[in-house]
Amino acid sequence: GNSVTQMEGPVTLSEEAFLTINCTYTATGYPSLFWYVQYPGEGLQLLLKATKADDKGSNKGFEATYRKETTSFHLEKGSVQVSDSAVYFCALSVKGYSTLTFGKGTMLLVSP
Amino acid sequence: NAGVMQNPRHLVRRRGQEARLRCSPMKGHSHVYWYRQLPEEGLKFMVYLQKENIIDESGMPKERFSAEFPKEGPSILRIQQVVRGDSAAYFCASSPNSNNSPLHFGNGTRLTVT
Repeated sequence: GNSVTQMEGPVTLSEEAFLTINCTYTATGYPSLFWYVQYPGEGLQLLLKATKADDKGSNKGFEATYRKETTSFHLEKGSVQVSDSAVYFCALSVKGYSTLTFGKGTMLLVSP
Repeated sequence: NAGVMQNPRHLVRRRGQEARLRCSPMKGHSHVYWYRQLPEEGLKFMVYLQKENIIDESGMPKERFSAEFPKEGPSILRIQQVVRGDSAAYFCASSPNSNNSPLHFGNGTRLTVT
């Protein structure tokens, strides 16, 4: 079956620190990969995506590269801000965008 | 342009009662998806609907749970005879079609069964 494993949180960082949130997957077929972000009290928002191997998704300073050889899609940001504090979900889909399989989420806390 | 609207935001039910969760998709979106987030778990897919049709219900529990998306009005996720294990956050998402369109999520309904 399909599954997504991401590092447990919370991840606690100071402002301007470098961020990495690890994500690995197992999938039947050739998945598309996503990162979603959930700010407190809100729904999930698509942060970035990649649909084939070696693609790099990027948005708002966040990046993730689709690595087929290591089945990974790690999220990175060079300099985090307090406003980046949220829960980040890694996800995959092998049926297009509909039936997403999510990881458990990683909470990021950024302090001034 | 209103996003995906879910109501109520919070719902408390006693064991054995029925819970009805409503979802109005974004304007122009005809595809609706329901996900459940149990405590300490990721989001789990439940059901995918288009207007008047259930397309994929592979994630729905076999009993007590049902979903509909009528021609007029919101999508409804219905849970009959709720039990404590149904306590979770239920998220609805919508898209304009199924061809590589990103999902837009609502803010969720937090169901608590006492």
